[in-house]
Amino acid sequence: QVQLQESGPGLVKPSQTLSLTCTVSGGSISSGGYYWSWIRQHPGKGLEWIGYIYYSGSTYYNPSLKSRVTISVDTSKNQFSLKLSSVTAADTAVYYCARVVGGYNENWGQGTLVTVSS
Amino acid sequence: EIVLTQSPGTLSLSPGERATLSCRASQSVSSSYLAWYQQKPGQAPRLLIYGASSRATGIPDRFSGSGSGTDFTLTISRLEPEDFAVYYCQQYGSSPRWTFGQGTKVEIK
Repeated sequence: QVQLQESGPGLVKPSQTLSLTCTVSGGSISSGGYYWSWIRQHPGKGLEWIGYIYYSGSTYYNPSLKSRVTISVDTSKNQFSLKLSSVTAADTAVYYCARVVGGYNENWGQGTLVTVSS
Repeated sequence: EIVLTQSPGTLSLSPGERATLSCRASQSVSSSYLAWYQQKPGQAPRLLIYGASSRATGIPDRFSGSGSGTDFTLTISRLEPEDFAVYYCQQYGSSPRWTFGQGTKVEIK
């Protein structure tokens, strides 16, 4: 059973870059057939897709965040990462990583709360 | 972008009752590429249904999905205490722009 675990700072200052890593266990990112995604949830709100990556490195980003988002993959570490630049308080959210099968999120990490505050 | 509208916003029911949740798309969802998730407080969402009607691994058969085109339904035949949660639909037919609905909360009456 594949498992995903998010890691990274829980507090980021405004205008800085939010950086999170998702470590995958129980399966290889390089095996193909899956996308690897980042999704966030503002406090008390619904789900927002940030973007996703294939093991080859091809990416898709939500147009509303595209100018600030970079998702990358490190197959040697079985990890993929999220960078969100120029953050504001509006980026405070729980960030989830997930394994995507054909478009639906089959497996999720537990999520990590990132607060943007000085 | 396909916009998904879920209704009702909140559903107040008693254990043992039947729950019917709606997800309506602003345009047709190709190949019934629609999924449903359950989220409990403090937890990550859990996949329930994919392909509009296929149950994910380990999901009880009291959960069922139906629909096509622009109208989809998640039905919980008999609510168990652990089913009170928020439910989200998500379309993945409009690649690469996958979108979520805003959620329906099923609460204890």
